[in-house]
Amino acid sequence: EVQLVESGGGLVQPGGSLRLSCAASGFTFGSFGSYAVAWVRQAPGKGLEWVSSISASGGTSYYVASVKGRFTISRDNSKNTLFLQLNNLRADDTAIYYCAKGIDFWSGLYFDYWGRGALVTVSS
Amino acid sequence: QSALTQPPSASGSPGQSVTISCTGTSSDVGGYNYVSWYQHHPGRAPKLLIYEAVKRPSGVPDRFSGSRSGNTASLTVSGLQAEDEADYYCSSYAGNSNPTYLFGTGTKVTVL
Repeated sequence: EVQLVESGGGLVQPGGSLRLSCAASGFTFGSFGSYAVAWVRQAPGKGLEWVSSISASGGTSYYVASVKGRFTISRDNSKNTLFLQLNNLRADDTAIYYCAKGIDFWSGLYFDYWGRGALVTVSS
Repeated sequence: QSALTQPPSASGSPGQSVTISCTGTSSDVGGYNYVSWYQHHPGRAPKLLIYEAVKRPSGVPDRFSGSRSGNTASLTVSGLQAEDEADYYCSSYAGNSNPTYLFGTGTKVTVL
């Protein structure tokens, strides 16, 4: 079964940067490079919020308006790994960040496997 | 809009049914067939329960069912069990809108 494991979370000051990783394994139908993947976050006490998706090839990316220009999604299909570079972090970026596998090539459509999340805390 | 509308809570006794609504617009829930539902136990990975509004992935019990009418989707949990106590979120693809994907506000289901 597909497994997604996030890493790289931590405490960072406002204005700082962090890089999240998501290692994927267990693909029995297709490969990691066949599917779009996404980052979804959950702020404390809040619901889920889609943050960004990247196409299977890595050539196309999508962002929610609040992170555009500050976050960059990327992937290394040779290492079955997804990344999220978080720059110029703000307090309202504090959240658990989940990696999620989509079912199509472009942006996901819906997400059939998720990781357990990585906590990012932005505070001075 | 920034989120789909769900009731904050729902409850039922073991064996009963609960239905959770998810209201959007013609630009998301009503405009595309890509409505999905997720179960989330805090501290664990969210789990896909329903996709394309009415379909169940293999391994998901048939106690979970989905429907959609116009701009509103619904999730019904029949024969409630203790392990169904969790947060439930709907989601919809929104095409070229931003954000591309909307999640619902979330519903906490309590098994009495």
